[in-house]
This record gives sequence, structure tokens and C-alpha cells, in this order.
Amino acid sequence: EAQVTQNPRYLITVTGKKLTVTCSQNMNHEYMSWYRQDPGLGLRQIYYSMNVEVTDKGDVPEGYKVSRKEKRNFPLILESPSPNQTSLYFCASSPRQGRNTGELFFGEGSRLTVL
Amino acid sequence: EDQVTQSPEALRLQEGESSSLNCSYTVSGLRGLFWYRQDPGKGPEFLFTLYSAGEEKEKERLKATLTKKESFLHITAPKPEDSATYLCAVQARVSGGYNKLIFGAGTRLAVHP
Repeated sequence: EAQVTQNPRYLITVTGKKLTVTCSQNMNHEYMSWYRQDPGLGLRQIYYSMNVEVTDKGDVPEGYKVSRKEKRNFPLILESPSPNQTSLYFCASSPRQGRNTGELFFGEGSRLTVL
Repeated sequence: EDQVTQSPEALRLQEGESSSLNCSYTVSGLRGLFWYRQDPGKGPEFLFTLYSAGEEKEKERLKATLTKKESFLHITAPKPEDSATYLCAVQARVSGGYNKLIFGAGTRLAVHP
């Protein structure tokens, strides 16, 4: 089954404790992206990757890191989480480049709480 | 500034009561407009892409239309299973050749029997 898999789905952590949210897709997509979703603000892009070893900042990259060493994986790293990073996180991928990267396949989401 | 606004924030319908959701946008260089459906506890699911004013797309009870300043998602004779949050996203060309996707905050639709 074609899918984008995120782990963990739920996590409660404390300020400053490094964590990684993994994302894997089995559709051989070149484009991958991370979003956070907060009430009233919609989905906001954190980072995106056009291909292996090619990553760039989205609208809200502060406090996050990413890497793209393999085509299928795109982990999101929070080096020192803070309470304002409490949010619902989505990983997404697209089979297309250019203008069609708006047709995204999303993962199920990872709900993160930072105390 | 590029912006996407969806209205209403929430909509309650009776089963069979047709209505429309609105997505208005201000972007420079529209590349495409996308509609998604999001069920509680799930990731958004892609529905439609519209590229130019006058274009329409249909899927079951849903029809999406596009003008130069807004898009409508028309829901005809909705059923309870159409209850979800509907998200609109606009893709705009930015520097470096990248196409930025901007999401609206969504419309929460509840359809009651």
C-alpha cells in the first residue's frame, strides 16, 4: 500500500530533550516536506526537500533541522524542543516536481507536546 | 503578502442540503489551487487541482471551481460521511524557481442526518 509513515504518532517530552520524528514514503517520490498544523493558523511549511541531499527552509524553520540522505526518508529533528513547538506535525511527499508539488500525500501526523 | 482565506470557519448542514465553501486568495503568480479533505486524527487527503480561471473539477458530490480571486467547493446533496475539514492551498511562484504552497485555515463541515 502506498503510504507516508511517521513515527512516533504521539509524544510528550520536556524542554531541551532532543527528539527526532521519522518520515518514510514507499512511493519513490522525489519531493518531501514537513508541516506543522496549529489551530486557526493552517498548515505551515517547516522544511522541504526536492531530492536527496537537497533541502531548504520553509516558512517556520526556526528550531528544526532535517536531512535527506535517502530518497524514502526525511526525518525532522528538534535539537532543543521548546513549548512553542507543541503542535501537530505532518510529513508529505509528492510524485511531481515544479508546479505540481501541490498534490501531496500526507502521513497520519505526529502530535508533539513539549512541557 | 500572499494570503489564503477560507470561509466560513465552520458550516453545519442537514443531509441533502447543498452549499458552497469559499477560498479567496491574493498571490502573485498563481501556479495552481488545491483542495484537500482532512478527517479528525488524519492527514489531509488530496481532492482537486485547478490551474486557471474557469476551470472546474468534479468528484462524486463535490465540484471545485476557480475564478481569478477565489475558488468554491460546491457540495451537492451532502451525506454525513462528507463531514470533514476542507483545506484550500494555493501554489505561488517564488524566487529560485520554487513553487510555494500556502494553506488556508480550513472550513469544518458537519453534515447531520
